Amino acid sequence: EAQVTQNPRYLITVTGKKLTVTCSQNMNHEYMSWYRQDPGLGLRQIYYSMNVEVTDKGDVPEGYKVSRKEKRNFPLILESPSPNQTSLYFCASSLTGLMTYEQYFGPGTRLTVT
Amino acid sequence: EDQVTQSPEALRLQEGESSSLNCSYTVSGLRGLFWYRQDPGKGPEFLFTLYSAGEEKEKERLKATLTKKESFLHITAPKPEDSATYLCAVQARYNFNKFYFGSGTKLNVKP
Repeated sequence: EAQVTQNPRYLITVTGKKLTVTCSQNMNHEYMSWYRQDPGLGLRQIYYSMNVEVTDKGDVPEGYKVSRKEKRNFPLILESPSPNQTSLYFCASSLTGLMTYEQYFGPGTRLTVT
Repeated sequence: EDQVTQSPEALRLQEGESSSLNCSYTVSGLRGLFWYRQDPGKGPEFLFTLYSAGEEKEKERLKATLTKKESFLHITAPKPEDSATYLCAVQARYNFNKFYFGSGTKLNVKP
């Protein structure tokens, strides 16, 4: 089954404790992206990756890091989480090209930072 | 500044009562406009992509249309299973890799 998986699905942590949210896709997609979703603000793009070893900032990259060492995986790293990073996080992937970029989203990771 | 505004924030319909959701956008050259459906506790699910003004796409009871400033998602004779949050996103010509989402319209269809 074609899918995007994220782990963990739920996470409660404390301020300053480094964490990683994993994202994996099995569709051989070049493009992957991370979003956060907050009430009233919609989905906001954190980082994206056009292919292996190629990443760039979205609109809200502060406090986050990413890496793309393999095509299927795109982990999101919070080096020193703060309460304002409490949110619902989604990973997405898509093909690239002239008439594509329809994104497939993972199930989400709900993060609470206390 | 690239921006997407969706209205209304919430919409309650009776089963069979047709209506439209609006997505207004400002972007420096539109490359694509996307509609997604999001069910509670799940990630968004792709519905349509529109690329140029005048374009229309249909899927079951849904039809998406596009003008130079806005897109509409028309829902004809909705059923309770159409209840969800509908999200609109734009992609700019200057950077295919960046997407700007609206905050969504939460649709509730009562039987």
